[in-house]
Amino acid sequence: AQRVTQPEKLLSVFKGAPVELKCNYSYSGSPELFWYVQYSRQRLQLLLRHISRESIKGFTADLNKGETSFHLKKPFAQEEDSAMYYCAPASSGGYNKLIFGAGTRLAVHP
Amino acid sequence: GAVVSQHPSRVICKSGTSVKIECRSLDFQATTMFWYRQFPKQSLMLMATSNEGSKATYEQGVEKDKFLINHASLTLSTLTVTSAHPEDSSFYICSARLRTGVGTEAFFGQGTRLTVV
Repeated sequence: AQRVTQPEKLLSVFKGAPVELKCNYSYSGSPELFWYVQYSRQRLQLLLRHISRESIKGFTADLNKGETSFHLKKPFAQEEDSAMYYCAPASSGGYNKLIFGAGTRLAVHP
Repeated sequence: GAVVSQHPSRVICKSGTSVKIECRSLDFQATTMFWYRQFPKQSLMLMATSNEGSKATYEQGVEKDKFLINHASLTLSTLTVTSAHPEDSSFYICSARLRTGVGTEAFFGQGTRLTVV
């Protein structure tokens, strides 16, 4: 069965501290992996995707196929990073439907 | 970027009535749209995949007769909650995927908060 696990409901750090939001997945085939972010009172938006190997707003995520993980990292958290973060694999074929993890709320304190 | 718009953003209805929620892709065509449901402080749960010109595909446990989906054009999908009851109160979100230069990206509507009284 397709499953995505984000073990932490809440991650609370101080400004300037490193953050790592964990994501593990169990998926058949080779899914595309995404991180979506939802800032307060805003709609969900794409943060980054594994195939781009990009850094967005200082965040990076490395796909580890051996560990089936796609953890999101940032070396120095900022207050404006406070938001809800969702890890979301998408099936590589068919309708490419996204399945969301439970989400991790990142709270960055001054 | 691409924009997906939902209407209405909020709706209150009486128990037993039906409510229609619209999802539009404003500047691109979407042969496939997705409907999600989100309970307070919980993640998005995929309800169904809406396909233009054909029947929707529902996820396990989602009642197709309860949540009617129509995708009549390449820019519009509608979700009708039939005979709504208080337990149907939730935040409903649609999304449409667009093929970009580096794969596909899902764009989300702003959501519709349904309250059934």
